[in-house]
Amino acid sequence: KQEVTQIPAALSVPEGENLVLNCSFTDSAIYNLQWFRQDPGKGLTSLLLIQSSQREQTSGRLNASLDKSSGRSTLYIAASQPGDSATYLCAVSSTGTASKLTFGTGTRLQVTL
Amino acid sequence: DAGVIQSPRHEVTEMGQEVTLRCKPISGHNSLFWYRQTMMRGLELLIYFNNNVPIDDSGMPEDRFSAKMPNASFSTLKIQPSEPRDSAVYFCASSYWDSNQPQHFGDGTRLSIL
Repeated sequence: KQEVTQIPAALSVPEGENLVLNCSFTDSAIYNLQWFRQDPGKGLTSLLLIQSSQREQTSGRLNASLDKSSGRSTLYIAASQPGDSATYLCAVSSTGTASKLTFGTGTRLQVTL
Repeated sequence: DAGVIQSPRHEVTEMGQEVTLRCKPISGHNSLFWYRQTMMRGLELLIYFNNNVPIDDSGMPEDRFSAKMPNASFSTLKIQPSEPRDSAVYFCASSYWDSNQPQHFGDGTRLSIL
């Protein structure tokens, strides 16, 4: 059974810092890995999707990497802003059940002024 | 473009009552997912549909839970009878039937069973 872990559970950084969020998964037979953002009282917003054949994806100040063999992904946020404050979740879909996502428990990020 | 629309946003009801949650997916999407989020268990997939057909309902916790998708623009998740442990935020998401397409989530229904 796939298990997804995110470290740290919470993180507070001052505005402008670069930061890295970590995600690890137990079964490397994945189809893709996705990073989502969740604001309080809201649903999830997809940030980046990395296919299993890819090593990284970039969108603006966000860069996600994938090392499938070691079961790890990182989300790098450059020049953090207070508007980046949210909970970030990673999710993996496993080969054979490609649409079925297993989510991590998330990292709650606070960017302070 | 309208996103995934869920109703109601909040529901408070007494134990034993029937609860119906509703979802309208994004037009053109042919996959629909129901999730439940709690502090203890995080975000869990309950069931998903492709082209209105249930594909995997292995996450549905008990027979008290049922889901339907009568057409491409509407789905319901029903709990009957409801119990306090069903209290959670229930999300609906939709996507194209291509596993490398991201899922789009609604804002959820916060359900409280007293």
